[in-house]
Amino acid sequence: SQTIHQWPATLVQPVGSPLSLECTVEGTSNPNLYWYRQAAGRGLQLLFYSVGIGQISSEVPQNLSASRPQDRQFILSSKKLLLSDSGFYLCAWKILNRRNTEAFFGQGTRLTVV
Amino acid sequence: AQKITQTQPGMFVQEKEAVTLDCTYDTSDPSYGLFWYKQPSSGEMIFLIYQGSYDQQNATEGRYSLNFQKARKSANLVISASQLGDSAMYFCAMGLSNFGNEKLTFGTGTRLTIIP
Repeated sequence: SQTIHQWPATLVQPVGSPLSLECTVEGTSNPNLYWYRQAAGRGLQLLFYSVGIGQISSEVPQNLSASRPQDRQFILSSKKLLLSDSGFYLCAWKILNRRNTEAFFGQGTRLTVV
Repeated sequence: AQKITQTQPGMFVQEKEAVTLDCTYDTSDPSYGLFWYKQPSSGEMIFLIYQGSYDQQNATEGRYSLNFQKARKSANLVISASQLGDSAMYFCAMGLSNFGNEKLTFGTGTRLTIIP
């Protein structure tokens, strides 16, 4: 069966520090991968999505970046965090080119920038 | 560009009553999928129901049904016989599937509170 791992679960980082959140998927190959951010009490904002290794589509220009070094690995990074980067980050995967299947989400990372 | 709109930021419903959560969407792509997710206070995202743009019948999954009105571009979620455990955030989402370029966009959500 397929599983998605996202870590860490919680993170407190000072302003200006770097960030690296990792997401890995098991039990499937060539998935679509997504990074979302959810501000407190708000909706999900799509940050990045990827349809293959090295292929990243950015939805919102900001100081975050994403990389997909392996088929089932998706990394969210920042060189210098801002206070506004605080939020709940969710990674998700979906079967490529199958519109009638849902996205499966990781447990999320709650990031607090102080 | 695709867009999902949920106009109800919050709703309060008496236990055992039915509830309708609104969702409208906008896309020029003829092929798309509509999803509803539930997010309890724990933060996990729970898939509830799916409707394809070419599906002739409205989707149903247990107490959940999707009132799909394609001409109006609406995909409202109906929860029958609401329960206290239904209290959560509910998100509507749309996925497009142009080969090799699949986006999945969410609305801003509706916070549903079930009153005993």
